[in-house]
Amino acid sequence: QKEVEQNSGPLSVPEGAIASLNCTYSDRGSQSFFWYRQYSGKSPELIMFIYSNGDKEDGRFTAQLNKASQYVSLLIRDSQPSDSATYLCAVNKGYSTLTFGKGTMLLVSP
Amino acid sequence: GAVVSQHPSWVICKSGTSVKIECRSLDFQATTMFWYRQFPKQSLMLMATSNEGSKATYEQGVEKDKFLINHASLTLSTLTVTSAHPEDSSFYICSPRKRGEFQETQYFGPGTRLLVL
Repeated sequence: QKEVEQNSGPLSVPEGAIASLNCTYSDRGSQSFFWYRQYSGKSPELIMFIYSNGDKEDGRFTAQLNKASQYVSLLIRDSQPSDSATYLCAVNKGYSTLTFGKGTMLLVSP
Repeated sequence: GAVVSQHPSWVICKSGTSVKIECRSLDFQATTMFWYRQFPKQSLMLMATSNEGSKATYEQGVEKDKFLINHASLTLSTLTVTSAHPEDSSFYICSPRKRGEFQETQYFGPGTRLLVL
């Protein structure tokens, strides 16, 4: 069983819609959860992190964490073509190395 | 903030030469430094982990004598690709980890694109 799973996509949404990106993880002891965005040919950049159950909002982004279901998601409101990228989910426990999912490609069409 | 610089941003070299990549965390001290590489259309692959003043820990399949890592200080780490060959052509990315109030967060440098001819 893969430790962090994401649908590879592509997930296609029209401009202005809500994009919902999902991630599941296998280690119940995972404590911190991160979302990174990676544009083609560029390195990943941190969007946000979450470590408590519930929602965390930052601008157009909302991270949602459900530890009982071992599920974390990222919602992007008012999606823009500039949001088109690969979104990486990552988890860790304590001071361990991040475990990354393979990423979901998001395509936002004008 | 969390600003990470990486130099050079790209390098082209002849087979057999060595290439040094420098990574600096500009506004924080990195408790740990991670080095990744990424081949086109593929996922990030962790190469090694290093702590300041300690020897790096390499992932399985990564040759420690080929990829030399020096973590000289809490803000500087270098990766040297020794005797580079065409199969070493890849996108190399450093990732310093910053200690926060409740968790440690990894940030990424802009990456170094290496092409070995």
